[in-house]
Amino acid sequence: DQQVKQNSPSLSVQEGRISILNCDYTNSMFDYFLWYKKYPAEGPTFLISISSIKDKNEDGRFTVFLNKSAKHLSLHIVPSQPGDSAVYFCAASAGGSSNTGKLIFGQGTTLQVKP
Amino acid sequence: GAGVSQTPSNKVTEKGKYVELRCDPISGHTALYWYRQSLGQGPEFLIYFQGTGAADDSGLPNDRFFAVRPEGSVSTLKIQRTERGDSAVYLCASSLNSELFFGEGSRLTVL
Repeated sequence: DQQVKQNSPSLSVQEGRISILNCDYTNSMFDYFLWYKKYPAEGPTFLISISSIKDKNEDGRFTVFLNKSAKHLSLHIVPSQPGDSAVYFCAASAGGSSNTGKLIFGQGTTLQVKP
Repeated sequence: GAGVSQTPSNKVTEKGKYVELRCDPISGHTALYWYRQSLGQGPEFLIYFQGTGAADDSGLPNDRFFAVRPEGSVSTLKIQRTERGDSAVYLCASSLNSELFFGEGSRLTVL
């Protein structure tokens, strides 16, 4: 049973345009959501997070939106840059921001930003 | 180094053999996590240490998998009687407060 789903295995966008990566979850106990970025042969690195008490969190070019009623979150990257090309994982946890270690990950979406 | 270090980076073994994977966390990080990433999937939680003790081992798939962290720093993931389905990248992460810092992983291939 996949509790966190990323239904798009891949996404290709042009440099300078917006990238939108989507994620759905099924467990209503999840209250903290994160996005990780992974380059080949490297471990995932933390990108941005959002608590369930918010519906938006922004950090530079990266914005995460949370729609709790739809159990859906998305990551917006604008403007997209070639260096953003990587695999992006959505992850969720229960227990708030103090319990971010036991994460449930989605399958990942490979983003390619073309120059 | 400053990051999480995992050894070996690659391990090829035969079915039925015993394997140990090592994780050296960031100095001072009290929490340590093991995850497993199979091809085409996201990382899957295995076990979490707070100090020397396993605070949550609910993700270990069966009793062939065991992990230790005897001095609260380095951790070893041990897999007995390996099976082909154990082939994956095993990721270790450490944290001090909330953010996880992942190592590059150990790729295990069981032939």
